[in-house]
Amino acid sequence: DVKVTQSSRYLVKRTGEKVFLECVQDMDHENMFWYRQDPGLGLRLIYFSYDVKMKEKGDIPEGYSVSREKKERFSLILESASTNQTSMYLCASSLGTAAHSGNTIYFGEGSWLTVV
Amino acid sequence: DQQVKQNSPSLSVQEGRISILNCDYTNSMFDYFLWYKKYPAEGPTFLISISSIKDKNEDGRFTVFLNKSAKHLSLHIVPSQPGDSAVYFCAARGYEEYGNKLVFGAGTILRVKS
Repeated sequence: DVKVTQSSRYLVKRTGEKVFLECVQDMDHENMFWYRQDPGLGLRLIYFSYDVKMKEKGDIPEGYSVSREKKERFSLILESASTNQTSMYLCASSLGTAAHSGNTIYFGEGSWLTVV
Repeated sequence: DQQVKQNSPSLSVQEGRISILNCDYTNSMFDYFLWYKKYPAEGPTFLISISSIKDKNEDGRFTVFLNKSAKHLSLHIVPSQPGDSAVYFCAARGYEEYGNKLVFGAGTILRVKS
């Protein structure tokens, strides 16, 4: 079974703090993703990475950055946390490209971040 | 500009009856569609998918129907069980050189009453 592990399930941070959300997958997947989930908005893609040291902006990258130094690890960084970044953050991984119809995305359990 | 829309925020169904969750999309380049199920405080889990070359895919109690001309898909759950109560996300994917990016709908909360 694919395992995507998000190290922090619940965090409370102050406005202006730098926040790191860590994600590790154990299936040697090439692609990794960070989404945030907000009521009424579904899952929105923040950043994704298709290889080590490679990253691409998703739909809502503003205020975030990412790091992928190793294939199994993908970190989301909030340089200066703001209250509108209070949300549930979901890390995900997948194998290969979209050309393989059997591919799907596997999610971690999520990290609840509250910025006060 | 939402490319994937789930217009019903919630749905309530009696145990044993059919649940029908709907999803509309606007991008004709989407070639693969998926449904994910999410319980509170957990990550979404893959439920069922369908390729754009098919119009139906069935897996046990779950069936997904795709109407490409209407850009509409639906998930049928028969019979519905209380354990099916969750948020259901519709997702779509277009062919891209890299990655496996999905575009998600806003989700529909399904409540199955016993």
